[in-house]
Amino acid sequence: DAGVIQSPRHEVTEMGQEVTLRCKPISGHNSLFWYRQTMMRGLELLIYFNNNVPIDDSGMPEDRFSAKMPNASFSTLKIQPSEPRDSAVYFCASRLGDQPQHFGDGTRLSIL
Amino acid sequence: EDQVTQSPEALRLQEGESSSLNCSYTVSGLRGLFWYRQDPGKGPEFLFTLYSAGEEKEKERLKATLTKKESFLHITAPKPEDSATYLCAVQARDSSYKLIFGSGTRLLVRP
Repeated sequence: DAGVIQSPRHEVTEMGQEVTLRCKPISGHNSLFWYRQTMMRGLELLIYFNNNVPIDDSGMPEDRFSAKMPNASFSTLKIQPSEPRDSAVYFCASRLGDQPQHFGDGTRLSIL
Repeated sequence: EDQVTQSPEALRLQEGESSSLNCSYTVSGLRGLFWYRQDPGKGPEFLFTLYSAGEEKEKERLKATLTKKESFLHITAPKPEDSATYLCAVQARDSSYKLIFGSGTRLLVRP
């Protein structure tokens, strides 16, 4: 079975540019999560969708961050404009009901 | 405030040398405690969920246990392929989705 698929796996861009991260959840899963992982702060929840609807975006650090889930099989996390402090590994996870969350392999983002 | 503390930060073992990783937590009512394994360059991989004190779960060389204040991940006769970062996370009873993660224990098993 295909797991959570994220793209790109690596992204290097210059400060001020728009960055779009993509996620395809596991087929049939009805919840989707975006996380950020850094050495200093560990894994932090950015936003949670249930049935394609954003339920909790309290972890989104600033208005520069936005996330969408136009359908059950696709989500994007966008940063505009990007800043060096946004450099981190961004993970997408999905789950079905109350089952455990399953993570993708992440996008390593570097903002120069 | 809900909090998860893992210790030690790093652990080096010889192959076959059993040990335990600790996850201490404070949460306003526990819905579940989760253990994940993370390999370099990969996402966390689900291992176990524990729901109540006294519960134990096993998978190959790993056994997870739970008390009212902490969880242990026991590794019996580890092999080099067990080398990874092990993450613990808690979900509070008043949340249906939010996981609070610890900072992890980096385990290195030498042949």
